Amino acid sequence: EAGVVQSPRYKIIEKKQPVAFWCNPISGHNTLYWYRQNLGQGPELLIRYENEEAVDDSQLPKDRFSAERLKGVDSTLKIQPAELGDSAVYLCASSFRGTSGFQETQYFGPGTRLLVL
Amino acid sequence: QQQVKQSPQSLIVQKGGISIINCAYENTAFDYFPWYQQFPGKGPALLIAIRPDVSEKKEGRFTISFNKSAKQFSLHIMDSQPGDSATYFCAASGYALNFGKGTSLLVTP
Repeated sequence: EAGVVQSPRYKIIEKKQPVAFWCNPISGHNTLYWYRQNLGQGPELLIRYENEEAVDDSQLPKDRFSAERLKGVDSTLKIQPAELGDSAVYLCASSFRGTSGFQETQYFGPGTRLLVL
Repeated sequence: QQQVKQSPQSLIVQKGGISIINCAYENTAFDYFPWYQQFPGKGPALLIAIRPDVSEKKEGRFTISFNKSAKQFSLHIMDSQPGDSATYFCAASGYALNFGKGTSLLVTP
């Protein structure tokens, strides 16, 4: 079974440029997460989707970040314009949340390493 | 505000030794406590997880000890191997995972 797929794996851009990251979750997973991981830190949640609905975007800097999950499968995270402080690894994760309400295992992709110059 | 505090930041253990990483949390609503392992250039991968209704869970060489009253939990890696060298993250969640800052483990031959 394929894991979470992310692209690109690496991206170098100049500040003020736009950038987009793509994620394809594990087949059948209804919940998708975007995290940001700064160097030497743990991942921090940016946004969580259940199917196509963003149910938690409280940590997403909405002035420059946007995300979408069309048809409840693939997702795209965009930054426009990028700032120097956005340099980080952007991780996508997915899980299957059933009716029990219990937290299910989150499976992470390899991440996109962004460098803003 | 860091919801999960993890220590130590780094750890060096000899092959065959026991690695111990500790975490503490504040939010009593958290009901799921996983540990993730991350190798350079890779995403975190679930290692072992526990729910607060048990005090210990063991899977192979990996054990989680959980102290609900103290709001603390720890990871023990028995018979540590060089292949265990990685960064380990504890986390706690209701819905979203709140990660600690990570522990860089080096197991020397």
